[in-house]
Amino acid sequence: ETGVTQSPTHLIKTRGQQVTLRCSSQSGHNTVSWYQQALGQGPQFIFQYYREEENGRGNFPPRFSGLQFPNYSSELNVNALELDDSALYLCASSLAGRSETQYFGPGTRLLVL
Amino acid sequence: KQEVTQIPAALSVPEGENLVLNCSFTDSAIYNLQWFRQDPGKGLTSLLLIQSSQREQTSGRLNASLDKSSGRSTLYIAASQPGDSATYLCAVNSGNTPLVFGKGTRLSVIA
Repeated sequence: ETGVTQSPTHLIKTRGQQVTLRCSSQSGHNTVSWYQQALGQGPQFIFQYYREEENGRGNFPPRFSGLQFPNYSSELNVNALELDDSALYLCASSLAGRSETQYFGPGTRLLVL
Repeated sequence: KQEVTQIPAALSVPEGENLVLNCSFTDSAIYNLQWFRQDPGKGLTSLLLIQSSQREQTSGRLNASLDKSSGRSTLYIAASQPGDSATYLCAVNSGNTPLVFGKGTRLSVIA
């Protein structure tokens, strides 16, 4: 157990809808990163938040957005859902710093129909 | 751009066998490399983290090595057990993005 929690565990949406996924970071961690893992692939970096500001972004369109709150928990929002957004969404928390270990939550499985 | 490759993509071995999983990366300027285990439909469990200044790390039956100059890492599993069946992911921290992952090796240990 890493102390990182995510909700919900599973979610089914239809194309065009919007979704919000939530992540609570491990106690003391001020950085949260989000990853998308399609079936049979490795996780792909979406973005990272540090002290409530976006601190790096991968190759994802603007309809993927996020927030980090003062308690360092975080949300991932996806607008105008597409079928290819179906994936496991993972969040990871860490301390700030490029060499710090990231601790992953159990993930949210999103299915877009 | 950092790219991570894992070979083989899938591996099936009889129980008790020792095995090696391979990971290669294209940019040797890394901070650390991490091996994860992922059970079907689940999140990632960190197995071993090797800092760029280290050559290997051990935890129980697992040993991970790092050769940064050649861009390679191996995960050695001794005396494999059916409970080791999972997908093993290698991830590299280059500092620019938090982690770059390979696609994983799917391991099946047959009793």
